[in-house]
Amino acid sequence: AAGVIQSPRHLIKEKRETATLKCYPIPRHDTVYWYQQGPGQDPQFLISFYEKMQSDKGSIPDRFSAQQFSDYHSELNMSSLELGDSALYFCASSLHRYEQYFGPGTRLTVT
Amino acid sequence: GENVEQHPSTLSVQEGDSAVIKCTYSDSASNYFPWYKQELGKGPQLIIDIRSNVGEKKDQRIAVTLNKTAKHFSLHITETQPEDSAVYFCAASPPPGNTGKLIFGQGTTLQVKP
Repeated sequence: AAGVIQSPRHLIKEKRETATLKCYPIPRHDTVYWYQQGPGQDPQFLISFYEKMQSDKGSIPDRFSAQQFSDYHSELNMSSLELGDSALYFCASSLHRYEQYFGPGTRLTVT
Repeated sequence: GENVEQHPSTLSVQEGDSAVIKCTYSDSASNYFPWYKQELGKGPQLIIDIRSNVGEKKDQRIAVTLNKTAKHFSLHITETQPEDSAVYFCAASPPPGNTGKLIFGQGTTLQVKP
C-alpha cells in the first residue's frame, strides 16, 4: 500500500539558512499534519491542512510557514534556522481526520 | 489545552510475558486515542486506536481499553516477542474543531528480552 513520502530524508543546513521540507500524502487522504520530534522526545504538533486550507496551528515558530498545494502535497518552509531547530520532522496524512499515518521523516541538522 | 501523561517510561519484560502501558488525559472532550510504535530511525507506526464511544478494542496480541470517567486508556500486549521492542506512544485528539491534531504522551521504551 502507498505510504506517506517525505523528502529529503536528511538535510544539513547552517544557522540562518532556509530549509524546505516536502510531504506527499497517501492518495485520497484529505488532511496533512506536520510534527517536530526532538531527540528522546515525543512528536509535537506544528500545523495541519484540511482540503488545502490551514485547519489548526500548534507550537510553530513564526519563522516557519507551510502550505498545501492543489495536488495535496505540502511543504514546510523554515527560515533563519537556529541550532534548536535540529530535529526529526514528520508529516502525517489522514482521511476525515482520524487514523494518521506518518511518513519516514526528515532529519534536519543545523550547524 | 490537552495534556497526556504516559507510564512507565521504560518497561522490560521477558519474551512471552504481557506488557501494559498506561496513559491519562486531561481534556474530557478528547474523543480519539491512537497508539503508535516507533522503531529507531523510523516514523511512528499506528498499531491500534480507540474512539470515545468504545470501551475496548482488540487486534490479535494487542488490545486497548478506555475509561472515559477516569480519563485513562491502556495498551496491552500479550505474548510479547523481541520484535515488539520499540518506543510506544499514546496520543489524544482534543477539541476544539476536532481537526485531528494529536497530543502525544512522553513515550515508553519497551524491551522484550529473549
